[in-house]
Amino acid sequence: KAGVTQTPRYLIKTRGQQVTLSCSPISGHRSVSWYQQTPGQGLQFLFEYFSETQRNKGNFPGRFSGRQFSNSRSEMNVSTLELGDSALYLCASSLMAGTGELFFGEGSRLTVL
Amino acid sequence: KNEVEQSPQNLTAQEGEFITINCSYSVGISALHWLQQHPGGGIVSLFMLSSGKKKHGRLIATINIQEKHSSLHITASHPRDSAVYICAVTGNTDKLIFGTGTRLQVFP
Repeated sequence: KAGVTQTPRYLIKTRGQQVTLSCSPISGHRSVSWYQQTPGQGLQFLFEYFSETQRNKGNFPGRFSGRQFSNSRSEMNVSTLELGDSALYLCASSLMAGTGELFFGEGSRLTVL
Repeated sequence: KNEVEQSPQNLTAQEGEFITINCSYSVGISALHWLQQHPGGGIVSLFMLSSGKKKHGRLIATINIQEKHSSLHITASHPRDSAVYICAVTGNTDKLIFGTGTRLQVFP
């Protein structure tokens, strides 16, 4: 059974640009959640999608957005990139929304110059 | 004060030692997760529990809901156990709240 796949694994952008990250969940999983990890703030919850609907959103500005497709694949977008957006972005999938066991991808490491 | 506190922040052990990592939380929860993160970033879920105790191989996790406290124990530690261990709770709003992690190094 394939695991959670995140693409791209590494990317470099400049301030003001936008970026789109992709997450393919484990087959059959309908919940996808996104997290940001930085050395200063640690791991923080971004948002969760279940059956194409956003269930929850963390405390991030509107520049951070996401969506989920009918095949459960999810994308997150960050517009008008800032230096502070440099981070490891992780997604996780689970069978159930909310309290399901989480299966994480390897992450997308974003560097903003 | 963080809603999820872990201790210790750093832990060094000799191979074979018994290790305990503690997690305290101050919010109502529906579940608590123990996660393991190796250098390079990938995170593996070790346990998800809402009561009692769970065991996988050399790892044991316990939770005391009344005291809002959980422990992760590693018996007969091994250098391959070296990683960052993260406690996270699913709060009543279903958002995941993370502790700051415990960096464990096990030396041969």
